Amino acid sequence: AQSVTQLDSQVPVFEEAPVELRCNYSSSVSVYLFWYVQYPNQGLQLLLKYLSGSTLVESINGFEAEFNKSQTSFHLRKPSVHISDTAEYFCAATYGGATNKLIFGTGTLLAVQP
Amino acid sequence: GAVVSQHPSWVICKSGTSVKIECRSLDFQATTMFWYRQFPKQSLMLMATSNEGSKATYEQGVEKDKFLINHASLTLSTLTVTSAHPEDSSFYICSFAGQDGEQFFGPGTRLTVL
Repeated sequence: AQSVTQLDSQVPVFEEAPVELRCNYSSSVSVYLFWYVQYPNQGLQLLLKYLSGSTLVESINGFEAEFNKSQTSFHLRKPSVHISDTAEYFCAATYGGATNKLIFGTGTLLAVQP
Repeated sequence: GAVVSQHPSWVICKSGTSVKIECRSLDFQATTMFWYRQFPKQSLMLMATSNEGSKATYEQGVEKDKFLINHASLTLSTLTVTSAHPEDSSFYICSFAGQDGEQFFGPGTRLTVL
């Protein structure tokens, strides 16, 4: 069965430190990958996505993720975090494109401390 | 991205009553949309997929007679929780399908059943 795994349920980090949130997906010929962010009591907002082409994708607020086919990973990174980055981050995948059905990981709480 | 609204943002009701949640896309049209529920500190669980003008497809374990979905148009869908009970208390999130597997999420509705 297709699945998305986020091994870290919570990642505490100090402000201005780098961070990596891990995501692994089950292998498939065709997969699209996404990172969504959820602030408390809000819906999900798309952070970035990988469809094809360059394996490194970036968001407008400094996050980046790299698609690694050999390791079936799509880890999210940021070189320097802010307090405002504190939120729940979900990795998701859709297989076979057209169905749009997203498979979500269990989420990682990024807790940025001053 | 597309703007999706949900109404109400929160609702408290008595056990046995029905609650209707409205999901509307403000600047976007989509044939396919999704309803999720999310328990505290957990990931999103897909409840059903619906296409405009046809019956919704429910995920295994989701009671279709309890969670009624009406996909009235390309910009509007409603979820009715019938005869709600305390165990139905949850955060309900809708989304509209975009291109390439992307989904545009509403801000969510918190339902509390007393």
